[in-house]
Amino acid sequence: EDKVVQSPLSLVVHEGDTVTLNCSYEVTNFRSLLWYKQEKKAPTFLFMLTSSGIEKKSGRLSSILDKKELFSILNITATQTGDSAVYLCAVERGDDKIIFGKGTRLHILP
Amino acid sequence: EPEVTQTPSHQVTQMGQEVILRCVPISNHLYFYWYRQILGQKVEFLVSFYNNEISEKSEIFDDQFSVERPDGSNFTLKIRSTKLEDSAMYFCASSDARVPGELFFGEGSRLTVL
Repeated sequence: EDKVVQSPLSLVVHEGDTVTLNCSYEVTNFRSLLWYKQEKKAPTFLFMLTSSGIEKKSGRLSSILDKKELFSILNITATQTGDSAVYLCAVERGDDKIIFGKGTRLHILP
Repeated sequence: EPEVTQTPSHQVTQMGQEVILRCVPISNHLYFYWYRQILGQKVEFLVSFYNNEISEKSEIFDDQFSVERPDGSNFTLKIRSTKLEDSAMYFCASSDARVPGELFFGEGSRLTVL
């Protein structure tokens, strides 16, 4: 059975800290790995990763994929209170189905 | 900026009633999806729709569920006879063919079944 496992489930840090969120997966017919940020309601897209070892960066966020070890990490440096959200990892299969993990709830203290 | 819109934002219904959730995807997108998120749980795939037909559906998407694109803009999810366990936030999403994994989600429709 396909699965996407995120860790930790919940994380509380102080503003300015750096955090690393983990995502491991076991999925048949892997196409890409996706990261989303879910604040109040709808998830918003962050990154799509298809190749191992190539870092994707957007401001203070970055992510990398290891297709051999079947995991990805999402790094957030110099965290701000606005980074508080649930971060969702998802894997897209070749048949277009996207499977989500349970998410990591990140809370940034001022 | 174009966005996916959903109505209603919240619907409360009695068990056994039919519910239709409506979505207007981004106009030039080709792939449409419904996901649901039961309170406190993960986002779950329900169905994907492309070229006017279902391309993939999950085991959750049983005979009680159906989707339709009745005109060029709306994409609807119908639950024929709601059950208590259908209570969830239902998200519509769309994407274009260039970056299929980049889903644009609507704000969701919260369904409460009593």
